Amino acid sequence: EAEVAQSPRYKITEKSQAVAFWCDPISGHATLYWYRQILGQGPELLVQFQDESVVDDSQLPKDRFSAERLKGVDSTLKIQPAELGDSAMYLCASSPRQGITDTQYFGPGTRLTVL
Amino acid sequence: AQSVTQLDSQVPVFEEAPVELRCNYSSSVSVYLFWYVQYPNQGLQLLLKYLSGSTLVESINGFEAEFNKSQTSFHLRKPSVHISDTAEYFCAVTASGSARQLTFGSGTQLTVLP
Repeated sequence: EAEVAQSPRYKITEKSQAVAFWCDPISGHATLYWYRQILGQGPELLVQFQDESVVDDSQLPKDRFSAERLKGVDSTLKIQPAELGDSAMYLCASSPRQGITDTQYFGPGTRLTVL
Repeated sequence: AQSVTQLDSQVPVFEEAPVELRCNYSSSVSVYLFWYVQYPNQGLQLLLKYLSGSTLVESINGFEAEFNKSQTSFHLRKPSVHISDTAEYFCAVTASGSARQLTFGSGTQLTVLP
């Protein structure tokens, strides 16, 4: 069964350093989502792509976060510089389209710890 | 904007006992409702969803949820739980007309005890 791949699974960094996370969605899925899940809370959407275009990045802290999906396939989420409050699980999800009947499939996540 | 409240952060229950995980939502427009499950060290998996039609929806592993519009609830139930049901469960909502963006609750950790 096809899965959403994410790497790395775990990342420890010091504050003020740069970090990057990678996501490879299920083949053929046009819509890609990045979520942040702080410990004890539910996931919160950071950015949504439709193919290579950003549909919504209203919750993305643009002063330090950036996301791209250059060829409309895999995607990279970057944080520069990292802050202590960025420690969280970063989840990637994909769906065939952005229709309401399209299930979002989640990857295993990247757990970020900022020291 | 919509919001989701999961009233219980942790629910311990003995094996073969029934369980209900509560979820209430708030929205000014029509909504679609979902339950996701997250097993340890794994990503979220869709458990079941309500889009339209029958207000009672079921999953393949014995869970069911009922959409109650008047009480703005979508509680998850199972008549007899197994050890393997131990996981975190998230209720989520998306509003009609939105670009398919999910708003999640804070999650309920279900722990099934032997």
